Amino acid sequence: DIQMTQSPSSLSASVGDRVTITCQASQDIRNYLNWYQQKPGKAPKLLIYDASNLETGVPSRFSGSGSGTDFTFTISSLQPEDIATYYCQQYDNLYTFGQGTKLEIK
Amino acid sequence: QVQLQESGPGLVKPSQTLSLTCTVSGGSISSGDYYWSWIRQPAGKGLEWIGRIYISGGTNYNPSLKSRVTISLDTSKTQFSLKLSSVTAADTAVYYCARVRRRSGEMDVWGQGTTVTVSS
Repeated sequence: DIQMTQSPSSLSASVGDRVTITCQASQDIRNYLNWYQQKPGKAPKLLIYDASNLETGVPSRFSGSGSGTDFTFTISSLQPEDIATYYCQQYDNLYTFGQGTKLEIK
Repeated sequence: QVQLQESGPGLVKPSQTLSLTCTVSGGSISSGDYYWSWIRQPAGKGLEWIGRIYISGGTNYNPSLKSRVTISLDTSKTQFSLKLSSVTAADTAVYYCARVRRRSGEMDVWGQGTTVTVSS
């Protein structure tokens, strides 16, 4: 099984800050990684696919990068509506999610 | 646009079988471009992928749940279903169904989720 480790598990930042979340795979998953945003009481929403491709309709302040085992998700300028929990997900071998990063406003 | 809606009992007794259905509307469940998946989330915890089914009827399951899970597809009703046997309190969670792009594994359409509690 492929394990996905996200860090940090929680993060507090101010509006306008640049926010970065990392996700590490237990083995090489090429670029087979997606990122999701989940707001309280809602289903997850796809933001980034194939590690770096922005889903249609998602604001350009969201971005992703990486390949192999190390991946990064970035919000270039944090907005109040970005408060949520973010998950990475690998699809190299079935599917596994990271444990999530809860983002809060400072 | 495609929409997914989960349905089923909100309360299941321990040792019994949890059964949920996901109804697909606004699009074809028979498209070869997608898998249809179930994911769950215990309260306050992260997402756990349960399994997926393809139009051919082929399935794949999370190894940790494989012995208890069955996912099936009914194209005539544009539905797919989840059965999880021998449930315990640890199976209490919000259960989501989702459409998965076959080429690249992203879950691009989700149901709103349904809460299932395992309790006597």
